[in-house]
Amino acid sequence: LAKTTQPISMDSYEGQEVNITCSHNNIATNDYITWYQQFPSQGPRFIIQGYKTKVTNEVASLFIPADRKSSTLSLPRVSLSDTAVYYCLVGEGGNAGNMLTFGGGTRLMVKP
Amino acid sequence: DAGITQSPRHKVTETGTPVTLRCHQTENHRYMYWYRQDPGHGLRLIHYSYGVKDTDKGEVSDGYSVSRSKTEDFLLTLESATSSQTSVYFCAISESWQMNTEAFFGQGTRLTVV
Repeated sequence: LAKTTQPISMDSYEGQEVNITCSHNNIATNDYITWYQQFPSQGPRFIIQGYKTKVTNEVASLFIPADRKSSTLSLPRVSLSDTAVYYCLVGEGGNAGNMLTFGGGTRLMVKP
Repeated sequence: DAGITQSPRHKVTETGTPVTLRCHQTENHRYMYWYRQDPGHGLRLIHYSYGVKDTDKGEVSDGYSVSRSKTEDFLLTLESATSSQTSVYFCAISESWQMNTEAFFGQGTRLTVV
């Protein structure tokens, strides 16, 4: 199972770009990298997913280097409402029970 | 938002009593999951289901059982609740087990065992 390592917490200010890096040295060939966001008192919500290079949607960008041993979630121009916990997931595949294995996440605090 | 309803949303129960939490979906997704979330532990998988009457254990299954008699309902039962099972419980659903599939989470059930 590909374990992930990400910073426990980060602080930022409104309007700044935030980059959260996740390490996953044991990622397997078929694994995708997925990021979820969780606000207080809510369930996690899917943000973005990628396999290699760069993926961008209306919320974030995901940068994955060629060796895929890490990934970076980029949130452009954060606002106070982006304060949340961000989880990086890397699945083993082939077993639904491993599909959604969450680590501790990164607690992002956006300050005014 | 995906159609996932957890009930009850809040419950206080006494140690030793049985408790059942319900997850209901209207998306006809094959996979359903139960997680618990505690401070300092993130989300931990309790049980999951890959079809009607098909379930398997997750990381922290001791003290919990599940049942899925219909596609839309996944029940989590604490046979004899303990204080260590005080937690927030989340249900999730997905169409597939593959990683390139988005999972949707319910709003959570806050359970307090006194």
